[in-house]
Amino acid sequence: SYELPQPPSVSVSPGETARITCSGDAFLNRHAHWYQQRPGQAPVLVIYKDTERPSGIPERFSGSRSGTIVTLTISGVQAEDEADYFCQTTDSGDTWVFGGGTKVTVL
Amino acid sequence: QVQLQESGPGLVKPSQTLSLTCTVSGDSINSGNYYWSWIRQPPGKGLEWIGNIYYSGSTNYNPSLKSRLTISIDTSKNQFSLKLSSVTAADTAVYYCARAVRITVNRGFFQHWGQGTLVSVSS
Repeated sequence: SYELPQPPSVSVSPGETARITCSGDAFLNRHAHWYQQRPGQAPVLVIYKDTERPSGIPERFSGSRSGTIVTLTISGVQAEDEADYFCQTTDSGDTWVFGGGTKVTVL
Repeated sequence: QVQLQESGPGLVKPSQTLSLTCTVSGDSINSGNYYWSWIRQPPGKGLEWIGNIYYSGSTNYNPSLKSRLTISIDTSKNQFSLKLSSVTAADTAVYYCARAVRITVNRGFFQHWGQGTLVSVSS
């Protein structure tokens, strides 16, 4: 199986903005979803259908899409946001696929 | 609030079959709004989708695992299960079960996850 390209790591100071990208042709006509995974824990959905935020997820998490690139933005990063983040979609063959993951480090 | 719990052996010998069950509580598995899914994560690596099953029993498998994979559902027990045959060390991973919201046919996102269970393949 394959993974969607994501930057391996992003470093950001508290209060700054972190942007995590994920790319793939599937995003031309399929939604992107994003998950946060803290060490030793199961992933948690933070954005679904490109821009929607589940209840309980802070407003500082937002999503966007432009062509084949989708972006998860964390505005005003806090220490608790340090985690791995994965994008996910479905490809043209109905295979559900994840991005390779991005480790966000809060300096 | 729906909860999912994986159960099964934590150690499987090479060439044998890995079997896991996911027990769902807090909601009926017999719903057309969701897919019931398996995802795995090798130690220190990313997430890999294994496959989904619908309440009707229809399945969608990762092509890379399809020849070794069976996912089944038991609506009377509110459980679904995974069987992966002919395992090797490469199948060592944390295995998660999840409930996926069905956006449309074979598309969706993972809304709720189990805590995961580590399965090691070793003699």
